Amino acid sequence: DQQVKQNSPSLSVQEGRISILNCDYTNSMFDYFLWYKKYPAEGPTFLISISSIKDKNEDGRFTVFLNKSAKHLSLHIVPSQPGDSAVYFCAASDGTYKYIFGTGTRLKVLA
Amino acid sequence: DAGVTQSPTHLIKTRGQQVTLRCSPKSGHDTVSWYQQALGQGPQFIFQYYEEEERQRGNFPDRFSGHQFPNYSSELNVNALLLGDSALYLCASSSRGRGEKLFFGSGTQLSVL
Repeated sequence: DQQVKQNSPSLSVQEGRISILNCDYTNSMFDYFLWYKKYPAEGPTFLISISSIKDKNEDGRFTVFLNKSAKHLSLHIVPSQPGDSAVYFCAASDGTYKYIFGTGTRLKVLA
Repeated sequence: DAGVTQSPTHLIKTRGQQVTLRCSPKSGHDTVSWYQQALGQGPQFIFQYYEEEERQRGNFPDRFSGHQFPNYSSELNVNALLLGDSALYLCASSSRGRGEKLFFGSGTQLSVL
């Protein structure tokens, strides 16, 4: 039972354009969400988070949107840069101590 | 400021053997979580340690056990290794509360032959 889903395994975007990565969840108890970026041979690196009391959070080029009624969140990267090429994971917490991760989306930013 | 460090980086074992993986948390963090990431999957929660006790456990068999030391470092032990245990094992540290973001180490790549 996959409670956090990233239905696009891969995404290619031109440098300078917007990248939109999507994440859906099924558990209405999830109240805190994180996005991570992972390069090969490295651990995941924290990007941005959002609490369920908000619908948007921004940090530089990264913005996360949360639509609780649709149980959907998205990560926008503007403008996309070649160094953003990595695998992106969304993760959700139901207020306990564990996070449930999606399967990831591989982003490729083309120069 | 040292981040999360894990050792070893790579490990090869055979079925039935036992393995111990080690993790030192980021400075200032007192909580350690362990995740297993199989190829093509997202990290899956194994368990979390706080104050030297297992605070929460994911859906993993008892072959997976852990320990946290007074200096907050942690070990993950896996007994009776199966081929399916081959994965990247990630350690993440955080502060004690719920909803704290996780800081990950680079992981230990375990191959079971």
